[in-house]
Amino acid sequence: AQSVTQLGSHVSVSEGALVLLRCNYSSSVPPYLFWYVQYPNQGLQLLLKYTTGATLVKGINGFEAEFKKSETSFHLTKPSAHMSDAAEYFCAVSDKRGTYKYIFGTGTRLKVLA
Amino acid sequence: GAGVSQTPSNKVTEKGKYVELRCDPISGHTALYWYRQSLGQGPEFLIYFQGTGAADDSGLPNDRFFAVRPEGSVSTLKIQRTERGDSAVYLCASSAGPTDTQYFGPGTRLTVL
Repeated sequence: AQSVTQLGSHVSVSEGALVLLRCNYSSSVPPYLFWYVQYPNQGLQLLLKYTTGATLVKGINGFEAEFKKSETSFHLTKPSAHMSDAAEYFCAVSDKRGTYKYIFGTGTRLKVLA
Repeated sequence: GAGVSQTPSNKVTEKGKYVELRCDPISGHTALYWYRQSLGQGPEFLIYFQGTGAADDSGLPNDRFFAVRPEGSVSTLKIQRTERGDSAVYLCASSAGPTDTQYFGPGTRLTVL
């Protein structure tokens, strides 16, 4: 079965610093990969997704992620953190390639320091 | 256009009671999903509807949980004889089809006392 590991349940960065949120998955077949963001009292919002093609994926709000098959990773980055980026971030994979059942990681709460 | 909506936003109930949670998907989306998010965890899949039928209910934890989508739009998640362990945020999502991006609602926070 698929699984997702997000290293670091809490990450703090200074405003303007690089954001790096880590996600590793276990799968014998490259899955579809997703990053969602959850602001307080709001639903999950899709940041970006990888299905096929280019391994560097750009998303909303300046975020991007790179699919590295050899490392089974899909880390999320943003060059310069903004206060509004403070939220919880979830990495997810589809259970089988392209299908509906998403397996989520436990989340990383990002704190941005002024 | 409206996103996925869920009602109520919060529900407090007593152990043993019955609760219903409602999800109104994005108009035209044929696929609908329920997830449960416990404190400190990521969402966990419960059930998937394609149209009116439950195509996959493998994530429902036991037979106290049931969901319906009688007209292929609004869905209701029903929990009988609630237990304190059922306390969680219940998320609903919808997508145009089963391989399309899932859009999530704000969730219903269920607290069982």
